[in-house]
Order: sequence, then C-alpha cells, then structure tokens
Amino acid sequence: GNSVTQMEGPVTLSEEAFLTINCTYTATGYPSLFWYVQYPGEGLQLLLKATKADDKGSNKGFEATYRKETTSFHLEKGSVQVSDSAVYFCALSDRKAGTALIFGKGTTLSVSS
Amino acid sequence: NAGVTQTPKFRILKIGQSMTLQCAQDMNHNYMYWYRQDPGMGLKLIYYSVGAGITDKGEVPNGYNVSRSTTEDFPLRLELAAPSQTSVYFCASKDSTGELFFGEGSRLTVL
Repeated sequence: GNSVTQMEGPVTLSEEAFLTINCTYTATGYPSLFWYVQYPGEGLQLLLKATKADDKGSNKGFEATYRKETTSFHLEKGSVQVSDSAVYFCALSDRKAGTALIFGKGTTLSVSS
Repeated sequence: NAGVTQTPKFRILKIGQSMTLQCAQDMNHNYMYWYRQDPGMGLKLIYYSVGAGITDKGEVPNGYNVSRSTTEDFPLRLELAAPSQTSVYFCASKDSTGELFFGEGSRLTVL
C-alpha cells in the first residue's frame, strides 16, 4: 500500500542554518504530495504542496520539489528561525480512502538562537 | 472564521465508559476525516466520510463509530473506552484543491 517515510528527528539547528528534512514515498499512480507543520498545542496546517512531477511547492521560505524518479519530496529552507521550531509531516493523498492523506511519522525541528 | 471546531479539548475517561467527540466545519466541505495521533507515530486514519450519509473505515477503526447526518457535523463515538485509545484525536475536512483543514485536537486519556 501507499506509505511515507521521513527522516527521524529531532533535528536541532542554530538560527540561520540550512534545513533539509528528507521524505520518500511509495505509491501507485501519481499522488499529490504535501508538507504540514504542527506548532505546539495546535492542529496541523498546510505548509506547501505539489500535485505533479517536477512541481515545486514553496511557502514562508520553505521549498520542496516533487521528484518522481527518486520518489522524494524533501523539505528545505535556506535560513531557519527560532519560530520555525515545530513538527513537520510529509504526506501523500491516497486515491482510496476518500483521498485521505497518509502521513509520515513527523520530524521535530528545534531551532536555537 | 471558525473552520473546523472540535469539542471537548480535553477529557479523561474510565475504562469501559463511552463518549462522543464532536466535530463541525463551516466550509461546506464534503470530505471529512478523523485521525488519531500517538507520539512518534504520525497520524492514523480512523474513519472518513465523502458526504452526508456516507462513511467508511480507515486504517484503525476498531473501537470507534461515526455518523454523518449533515454536511457540517462528523462526530466520533468511542464505545467501551480502553487505555489503548488514549491519544490526541484530530478532525479534518478537505477542500476542492486537496488541502486538509484540521481542528485543534481533542486530547483523550483513558484510565
């Protein structure tokens, strides 16, 4: 079945460091891919998405490119801030199950000043 | 500007008790979902609905039930609560672009 694998955390960085969080997927067909972010005590909110191969999603300085050949959707940011500290989830849409999203286990990012 | 509203935010249950988690959305979305989130495990789909009167099981439906009598409401019922149901529960609805909108979550503890 469809699945998402993302790098284990926690990831600890200093402010202004470069961030990469790896995400790979297994899916039949061509799912849409998403990154969601969860701040402490809150629900998940969409960070960015890509709906087809080679699409690049971007938002708030974060970017991810849909790579069909490597089945990957890695999240990157050139210069992280303390306010980026959160849990990041990679997800894909499942055409079964009412096109529910299948989530990875989440990666905790902690940024210190 | 409500979006997806979940109640209660916190609840403690004794083993064997029952309760209903409420979820309402005001965006007229047809698709709605219930997930549970356990530490280090991501989110697992419990049940989903593609419209009023239509529901189906997700990955981890055992011990839960849902109904969808209106587009707005999608309550999740726990019968005979067990410690394994201690978790944070999230309700979500999906718009036409595929984006999910989440509620703030309901933290349930079963003792």
